[in-house]
Amino acid sequence: NAGVMQNPRHLVRRRGQEARLRCSPMKGHSHVYWYRQLPEEGLKFMVYLQKENIIDESGMPKERFSAEFPKEGPSILRIQQVVRGDSAAYFCASSPLDRGTYEQYFGPGTRLTVT
Amino acid sequence: ELKVEQNPLFLSMQEGKNYTIYCNYSTTSDRLYWYRQDPGKSLESLFVLLSNGAVKQEGRLMASLDTKARLSTLHITAAVHDLSATYFCAVDPSGAGSYQLTFGKGTKLSVIP
Repeated sequence: NAGVMQNPRHLVRRRGQEARLRCSPMKGHSHVYWYRQLPEEGLKFMVYLQKENIIDESGMPKERFSAEFPKEGPSILRIQQVVRGDSAAYFCASSPLDRGTYEQYFGPGTRLTVT
Repeated sequence: ELKVEQNPLFLSMQEGKNYTIYCNYSTTSDRLYWYRQDPGKSLESLFVLLSNGAVKQEGRLMASLDTKARLSTLHITAAVHDLSATYFCAVDPSGAGSYQLTFGKGTKLSVIP
């Protein structure tokens, strides 16, 4: 059973460009979470999605950031007009429909560098 | 706002020694998680603690949870170099539908031969 998959693993963008980060949850998982990790910091919650629904985006910056989890295909975190402060590692996690212990399984992350 | 504090943030210890990492949190919770992160890697789940008094052990690591004191500990016994990593605790606030994990800043552990 493949784990949570994220791509790309590394992404370099110039200021003002768009960044698209993709996350495929574990098989059988229907809950997806995005977190951001700044250097030397813990992870900060950004958004929680189920298929075709944003459940909670309280951790998302108000502008330039958006997320989706379509009926088919991976979840996408989109950052428009990137700035240097967006440089960070972005982790996706997933959990099953029956959330049981509420444990979240993390992907390998996408390391975004804005030049 | 839920706050999660870990200490120490940096820990250098010799192989063979014992030490404890502490995780304090500011609100009611009966679900606490410990993760390990190696440099440039993702988070690996170590322990899931679901009730007051829960204690779990895996190899040289043992985690416990005291929900009344709002405290979890991660105890390292006879450390070895392979345990060098950053350890995070994360709290899932009580209540139906909670899902936002709030992480501590992490404890960067270096085990010196």
